[in-house]
Amino acid sequence: EPEVTQTPSHQVTQMGQEVILRCVPISNHLYFYWYRQILGQKVEFLVSFYNNEISEKSEIFDDQFSVERPDGSNFTLKIRSTKLEDSAMYFCASSLRGELSYNSPLHFGNGTRLTVT
Amino acid sequence: QKEVEQNSGPLSVPEGAIASLNCTYSDRGSQSFFWYRQYSGKSPELIMFIYSNGDKEDGRFTAQLNKASQYVSLLIRDSQPSDSATYLCAVKGSGYALNFGKGTSLLVTP
Repeated sequence: EPEVTQTPSHQVTQMGQEVILRCVPISNHLYFYWYRQILGQKVEFLVSFYNNEISEKSEIFDDQFSVERPDGSNFTLKIRSTKLEDSAMYFCASSLRGELSYNSPLHFGNGTRLTVT
Repeated sequence: QKEVEQNSGPLSVPEGAIASLNCTYSDRGSQSFFWYRQYSGKSPELIMFIYSNGDKEDGRFTAQLNKASQYVSLLIRDSQPSDSATYLCAVKGSGYALNFGKGTSLLVTP
């Protein structure tokens, strides 16, 4: 079964450094997302991306964050100057359609655990 | 602020019993509703989807939706130790975002 793959599985960085989290969505999917989950907290929506542009973003997704689809397969999340509070599990997800259903569910990757020290 | 509320638990049920998990949401414009299972340190996996009032059954799982009361529930029949996980309720409005609750921790004891 096709899956969303994320690299690295764990990233440690120092406060103020830039990090890029990488994802390869399922190949025929058209919608791409980033969610994050701070330890012990709920899964939070960051951004959705369709047709090479952001379709929706949350209040969390401020100017420190950016997303890019640099080629036909990768989808990246960049955090420009990391803060301690950016420490979380970051999940990439993709879906065939924007209207989620059983036929077009959200497929999550295994996540990248980001630790900011 | 669009809220999705769940009792954090833990909810403990004996093996073979019915586990009942509840969720309320604040946005009356919500259109579709999802239950995800999340094992510790893993990503969420979809187990149920419902968008119309009433019950929807899939194997041992039944989702129930009452839009007037803004209430979604998940019943797990014949609970197994492997069902022990955190169950996340997620709600989608007209946009692209899924709004998740904090989840209910379920423990099924042998």
